[in-house]
Amino acid sequence: KNEVEQSPQNLTAQEGEFITINCSYSVGISALHWLQQHPGGGIVSLFMLSSGKKKHGRLIATINIQEKHSSLHITASHPRDSAVYICAVSFYVQGAQKLVFGQGTRLTINP
Amino acid sequence: DTAVSQTPKYLVTQMGNDKSIKCEQNLGHDTMYWYKQDSKKFLKIMFSYNNKELIINETVPNRFSPKSPDKAHLNLHINSLELGDSAVYFCASSQGWRDSGRYFGAGTRLSVL
Repeated sequence: KNEVEQSPQNLTAQEGEFITINCSYSVGISALHWLQQHPGGGIVSLFMLSSGKKKHGRLIATINIQEKHSSLHITASHPRDSAVYICAVSFYVQGAQKLVFGQGTRLTINP
Repeated sequence: DTAVSQTPKYLVTQMGNDKSIKCEQNLGHDTMYWYKQDSKKFLKIMFSYNNKELIINETVPNRFSPKSPDKAHLNLHINSLELGDSAVYFCASSQGWRDSGRYFGAGTRLSVL
């Protein structure tokens, strides 16, 4: 079982809908990352957070350390938001940093 | 100006060949990474260098050898390519090796025939 699980794996919605993607992890972490991978393959780092909430434009990321859970929200979704969203957590094992990725959530926003 | 650039973007080669992928970042970051994304789209860390020093080396075959001539470059050399090496390889950089945002290159799609 992967240390990072995302849900849903696939999500299709209509333009304008509020989107939530969830990420649960099973290890103590030092930080959690949300990444966006475009259909062309490029990866963009959206957020890195270790507590609370961050907002960038229409994107909001929250994390609950006690519950080992993070959510990525997209308000007023648009077809250009269609991409794979990847959650990743970083933690330390014997002093070495590890970064483990979730399997990704494929989001499709229809016009 | 591209922040993290990888070359080539596509690489098609025969089994047994040796190939290199180059990565350069112009962000002034001191940490660089190589990730492998397999056919199921799972991303995995391969290597990480901080100030030209190897700090993460996941369970990767010895055929893979990263080389960091300076902080702005981290190249990946692969010997004796195998079919299972076919994947997309992403380079990334960050400021500091402890938790900071990663900037990714566009990826190199390697196909081993």
